[in-house]
Amino acid sequence: AQSVAQPEDQVNVAEGNPLTVKCTYSVSGNPYLFWYVQYPNRGLQFLLKYITGDNLVKGSYGFEAEFNKSQTSFHLKKPSALVSDSALYFCAVSGYMDTGRRALTFGSGTRLQVQP
Amino acid sequence: DVKVTQSSRYLVKRTGEKVFLECVQDMDHENMFWYRQDPGLGLRLIYFSYDVKMKEKGDIPEGYSVSREKKERFSLILESASTNQTSMYLCASRDSNSYNEQFFGPGTRLTVL
Repeated sequence: AQSVAQPEDQVNVAEGNPLTVKCTYSVSGNPYLFWYVQYPNRGLQFLLKYITGDNLVKGSYGFEAEFNKSQTSFHLKKPSALVSDSALYFCAVSGYMDTGRRALTFGSGTRLQVQP
Repeated sequence: DVKVTQSSRYLVKRTGEKVFLECVQDMDHENMFWYRQDPGLGLRLIYFSYDVKMKEKGDIPEGYSVSREKKERFSLILESASTNQTSMYLCASRDSNSYNEQFFGPGTRLTVL
């Protein structure tokens, strides 16, 4: 069975500074990896994904993520944080269920707080 | 603009009641999903459906059932609500390609008293 670990419940960063939200995963076969963001009182929004190819993927709102196969990590990054980036971030991996169909397994989430 | 809608944003029910949560998508997606979201646990998959009348259990199906009679609609049913089913419920849809992203509804916050 697949799993995702987000080791930090909360990340605090000052506006303008770079940010990193960590994610490690465990899955059989090639991983499909995703990041989603949840703003207060809203559903999840897709940010970016890694399927294959370049290890650095770029997504919405200036976010990017680096896939590292040897470390089984997919950390989310942004060069310069904005107060509006404050939200709950979820990493997810697509893996095969017992039935042979793929489904997403989510991490526990990391709350990002950007201070002005 | 693609859209997934859920019938209620907030719902309060009593223990033992039968509860229906409805989800509708307008993207003609084959796959639909129900998750519950709890603090510190992230999202956990309850059930998903890959076609009309087809369903598969997710990680935590106990106490829930689902119905998909039409492609655009996926219902989650709590046969006899219990207090430990108080949670945020999120519906999502996706096309048949498993490396495409899921689109989420706004969620239903269910409180069972």
